[in-house]
Amino acid sequence: RKEVEQDPGPFNVPEGATVAFNCTYSNSASQSFFWYRQDCRKEPKLLMSVYSSGNEDGRFTAQLNRASQYISLLIRDSKLSDSATYLCVVNPAGTYKYIFGTGTRLKVLA
Amino acid sequence: NAGVTQTPKFQVLKTGQSMTLQCAQDMNHNSMYWYRQDPGMGLRLIYYSASEGTTDKGEVPNGYNVSRLNKREFSLRLESAAPSQTSVYFCASSVPGPPNEKLFFGSGTQLSVL
Repeated sequence: RKEVEQDPGPFNVPEGATVAFNCTYSNSASQSFFWYRQDCRKEPKLLMSVYSSGNEDGRFTAQLNRASQYISLLIRDSKLSDSATYLCVVNPAGTYKYIFGTGTRLKVLA
Repeated sequence: NAGVTQTPKFQVLKTGQSMTLQCAQDMNHNSMYWYRQDPGMGLRLIYYSASEGTTDKGEVPNGYNVSRLNKREFSLRLESAAPSQTSVYFCASSVPGPPNEKLFFGSGTQLSVL
């Protein structure tokens, strides 16, 4: 089992739709959780951190379920500019080894 | 404020050649990292440096060496390049601990080994 698993997609959704991505992690000792966004051929950039049960920033909501060992990302009112790959990242406690999922591709259609 | 700067942006090598990827950050971060990204594989950690003077292996260190030259610079060396090392390489530095924990990435190096 991979340490961090994501559905690779692609998710093709119309503008204005709500879309949700899930990510599961295997190390129950993990304490830091993140969603990064990566545009084609660009470097990843932090979208949201998740330290407690959830975090909201505008149209984006991230939630953490420690019991089931998954985090989710919800995007409301999708924009064309949201088209990108969304990377789930987990940092096991006490390490510097940020572990990346393979990413979920999102394409928002006009 | 340049952030994390990587050079070169593109490189083509022949099998067996050597090269060094350079990385520098101007944010006074203690920790620095080298990742490679392959299609369908996500980013995989090659080496990291928790602080100046220390380096440790990540998930895929074979075929690579690193040097933490000082707090700003962390280089990655391929001693004898192989086609399996064709990839996009990202350098990163990090701010530790909550609530501002974050990885800052360079713009990447596209490496092709023929």
